[in-house]
Order: sequence, then structure tokens, then C-alpha cells
Amino acid sequence: GAGVSQTPSNKVTEKGKYVELRCDPISGHTALYWYRQSLGQGPEFLIYFQGTGAADDSGLPNDRFFAVRPEGSVSTLKIQRTERGDSAVYLCASSLMAPGTQSYNSPLHFGNGTRLTVT
Amino acid sequence: GNSVTQMEGPVTLSEEAFLTINCTYTATGYPSLFWYVQYPGEGLQLLLKATKADDKGSNKGFEATYRKETTSFHLEKGSVQVSDSAVYFCALTSNTGNQFYFGTGTSLTVIP
Repeated sequence: GAGVSQTPSNKVTEKGKYVELRCDPISGHTALYWYRQSLGQGPEFLIYFQGTGAADDSGLPNDRFFAVRPEGSVSTLKIQRTERGDSAVYLCASSLMAPGTQSYNSPLHFGNGTRLTVT
Repeated sequence: GNSVTQMEGPVTLSEEAFLTINCTYTATGYPSLFWYVQYPGEGLQLLLKATKADDKGSNKGFEATYRKETTSFHLEKGSVQVSDSAVYFCALTSNTGNQFYFGTGTSLTVIP
């Protein structure tokens, strides 16, 4: 398909475990975002990549959260020592924005998210 | 800072009723404003946008006008359909950064 793909769609893990969430952006999209959405809330910004580099990681809640995008395409969000409060839907979005352009010219295209449940 | 406040739901309307979902914002710089929609079982998708004051975004019969004087971007539709049942998110991005800021979402259910 041509959309943003996220895997797995659902992940259940035990408290203290490590998890990886994967995002396949739309081909050619240089910008990639991770958001977290808790029940009844809007998406909360985590991190933004432009190409391979994290241009803004100010939304990561603590050092248990880390994300990579080594080849400028697929990204992985990694959560260490998971806690029950990490349970949420993790959303990935990509856009065509090239460096130096304004974000409003390149709306976000979202995946369906990964629902993470920490027991 | 940047933030978006939208009316709380859920909202339930009969088919062909008029819809308004209120959205107000706080932003640094000159924000662009968006409405995203999430249909059941699907990801968020862009509904409409406006990039400067007095712009009107429109799509699928929905409209929203960027009102700088009232810092608002209310979503309206003259005659809703059952297929419009979804969660609607107001969002902004500021020209001082690349983050998108989202409201908490408003759930709309349209009944036949």
C-alpha cells in the first residue's frame, strides 16, 4: 500500500520489558514524526526526524524512550523498562517536507498506530 | 506556548443537522491551522487547513475560517451524514517550529 505502515498493530508486554515499534513512512517522505495518544486525548508529540537525524526530540518523556531512523526511511521507537503508564496508542506520521520548507505546506500522513498495553 | 482547545464531546446529531465544533488556539509566531478526522478503525487524516488569517479551508462539505481576532478555527458543516461519524481533531503548527499540536478530539455520532 501507499500509506504509512506501523507494526505491530497491537503489542502487549509485561512491566519492565523492552519493546520496539516500527514505522514505514510513505516512500519519499523526508519528515517522520512519532506521537503518543492516550485514551480521550489528542496526539502528543514525541520526536521528529528530518532524514536520518532527530531534528526535535523534546517530546520524549524520559530516557527510557529512544527512536532511530538509520537510513532515512523506516523508523523504530524503542521503549526500555516499560511501565504501565506507557500504555497508549503510538502513532507515526510522515510528510514530504524538505529541509527549510514550512511544515504547513506538508500535512501529516498518519499510520493506524500501534496499541501498546503494559501489564 | 502553543496549544489547541476544542469543545468536548461526544456530540450526537441527527442526519442533515448543522454541525459546529469549536476550536480556539494559543500560538507563538504565525500558526497554520488544521482539522484532522479519524474514522472508526482508521488513522488520522487531514480534513482541511488554513495557513493565514481570514483563509477558509473546505473539504467534503466541511468549512473552517481562520479568525485571528478571536484565535478560533471552528469547524462547520451545513448538513451532516451518517458517514461523518468520526473523531475530529483541531491542530496547529507554528512557523517557529515543526511540531503539530493537537486538541483532545471531539467525537461525532450522526444518527439516521
